[in-house]
Amino acid sequence: GENVEQHPSTLSVQEGDSAVIKCTYSDSASNYFPWYKQELGKRPQLIIDIRSNVGEKKDQRIAVTLNKTAKHFSLHITETQPEDSAVYFCAASPFGNEKLTFGTGTRLTIIP
Amino acid sequence: EAGVTQSPTHLIKTRGQQATLRCSPISGHTSVYWYQQALGLGLQFLLWYDEGEERNRGNFPPRFSGRQFPNYSSELNVNALELEDSALYLCASKYRGDNEQFFGPGTRLTVL
Repeated sequence: GENVEQHPSTLSVQEGDSAVIKCTYSDSASNYFPWYKQELGKRPQLIIDIRSNVGEKKDQRIAVTLNKTAKHFSLHITETQPEDSAVYFCAASPFGNEKLTFGTGTRLTIIP
Repeated sequence: EAGVTQSPTHLIKTRGQQATLRCSPISGHTSVYWYQQALGLGLQFLLWYDEGEERNRGNFPPRFSGRQFPNYSSELNVNALELEDSALYLCASKYRGDNEQFFGPGTRLTVL
């Protein structure tokens, strides 16, 4: 089955700097890669996703890149703000399976 | 639009007992997913229901089971509770044809 690894497990960044979180997956059939943000005590919420026919997707300060050959994808957050502090999860899903396999999460702390 | 709801918020049981967790999806969503989020771990896929049928299950023992009702709400049952079943149980729903899974607030299950 699919296996998703996520690094780093914790990340501290000065406010205004950029943060990068990386994930690798094992199943070449995976073609959907969402990123979820989970604030303390709250439910996970989708912040951005990408399908395998796209190499990069951007939404304001957030971007995701995908390298299908290397089987890895990354989340980039620019101009970080205190409200970006949360746990971020990457996930992967093969077409037609609809089962999301999640990484173990990255706790991002923005230092004011 | 009301979000995914789950009940109860907290549930305390003793080892060997049974627990029942409930989930109401967003109106119009036909698929319901259950995930276990144990402390320090990512989200582990448990079960996927669509149109009343179990479509896929994760690597969990048979004492984890559930069902989906005609109104698309769902129930997760955990029999013969063990201490390691203590976790946050998250339900998510999805509209057929879309990719995004919307999460509920979770049920915190504590097994003593």
